[in-house]
Amino acid sequence: DAMVIQNPRYQVTQFGKPVTLSCSQTLNHNVMYWYQQKSSQAPKLLFHYYDKDFNNEADTPDNFQSRRPNTSFCFLDIRSPGLGDAAMYLCATSRHQGATNEKLFFGSGTQLSVL
Amino acid sequence: AQSVTQLDSQVPVFEEAPVELRCNYSSSVSVYLFWYVQYPNQGLQLLLKYLSGSTLVKGINGFEAEFNKSQTSFHLRKPSVHISDTAEYFCAVSVAAGNEKLTFGTGTRLTIIP
Repeated sequence: DAMVIQNPRYQVTQFGKPVTLSCSQTLNHNVMYWYQQKSSQAPKLLFHYYDKDFNNEADTPDNFQSRRPNTSFCFLDIRSPGLGDAAMYLCATSRHQGATNEKLFFGSGTQLSVL
Repeated sequence: AQSVTQLDSQVPVFEEAPVELRCNYSSSVSVYLFWYVQYPNQGLQLLLKYLSGSTLVKGINGFEAEFNKSQTSFHLRKPSVHISDTAEYFCAVSVAAGNEKLTFGTGTRLTIIP
């Protein structure tokens, strides 16, 4: 019954080694989001896609990229992970753009460790 | 820009006791307010939201929250908690217009003591 699926649940990578996190959805929602959640901090929006339109947050580092090849899938690419990128990465979806009054559906997250 | 503050990072409560999780927001314009819950090893899910109308909002699992514009607060309450309520609770705010994003608080970890 999972509607937003993130794989893997735990990901370990080496300092500087590119890593990709994946997210898929069965809701057919137009919008997909990537959040970064560090320990004891608020989830922070990195970027989102409205259909194929990519919307980057102003303070998202260039090290973070995203791809959305189709409605169902969205990927987060970290080109050169640093120790400070260790965090929980949450994928979310909503039917329409902007979460003003829309319900977000979240995946279970991928916990990224950088060694 | 809007912001939200959750002053209590951890709240321990005995089972069947009442609980209140505090949330205060800051914004120069009208806002929508949300509470999300994150159970262990799961993603966030919506508990309840305030968009307009009645200031007392009822959500899932027996939770409710009251919007207080004068105090810029949206505290979450439950009259009697259960072990299964152990989770992280996030308050969030967005501007009541346009395609604004959600801004989350830092979360409150609710621990239920048997």
